[in-house]
Amino acid sequence: QLHLQESGPGLVKPSETLSLNCTVSGGSIVASNSYWGWIRQPPGKGLEWIGSVYYRGNSNYNPSLNNRVTMSIDPSKNQLSLRLTSLTAADTAVYYCAKMHNWIDIWGQGALVTVSS
Amino acid sequence: EIVMTQSPATLSVSPGERVTLSCRNSQSYFIHVAWYQQKRGHTPRLLIYDASTRADGVPDRFTGSVSGTEFTLTISSLQPEDFATYYCHQYNSWPYTFGQGTRLEI
Repeated sequence: QLHLQESGPGLVKPSETLSLNCTVSGGSIVASNSYWGWIRQPPGKGLEWIGSVYYRGNSNYNPSLNNRVTMSIDPSKNQLSLRLTSLTAADTAVYYCAKMHNWIDIWGQGALVTVSS
Repeated sequence: EIVMTQSPATLSVSPGERVTLSCRNSQSYFIHVAWYQQKRGHTPRLLIYDASTRADGVPDRFTGSVSGTEFTLTISSLQPEDFATYYCHQYNSWPYTFGQGTRLEI
């Protein structure tokens, strides 16, 4: 059974960069045709797609994030990573990593990130 | 960007009722849609993908269907554990987008 676990800072200052990791257990992150994503949810609000990365490394990002996002895969650690720059309070959210088949079939438990000075 | 519009935003219902949730897309062609259930304080859970295919372990009281640009999630007989927020999601084109959610409340 595949399990995803996000990790990272719970509090980040405005204008700084957020780095989150997602550790995958129960399977290889570079298994053939594996596809991964990040989604976020501001407190009390709906879901927003951040982007997705294929096991070979090619990725797609949400244009609404204005080129602030980078995703990568580290096969040696079986980890998926998210980097989001120039943070503002609007980036405060629960960040989920996910295993995808285009739809999302497995979600991580989520990591709350608060952007505040 | 494909906009997914869910209605209603909130629905007051009772256990045992039949419920129909709607999700319309902003395009005129068929798109790929999934449905997720999110209980308060919990992670979303996949219910339906490809508009009408039930995910593993999902009870058969949940049914997805499509007619034109309208996608529907029907719960045939509401159970107490079904009170949650439901989101539709299109994965037809980038950027993937979600509806704003429909919350079922007693």
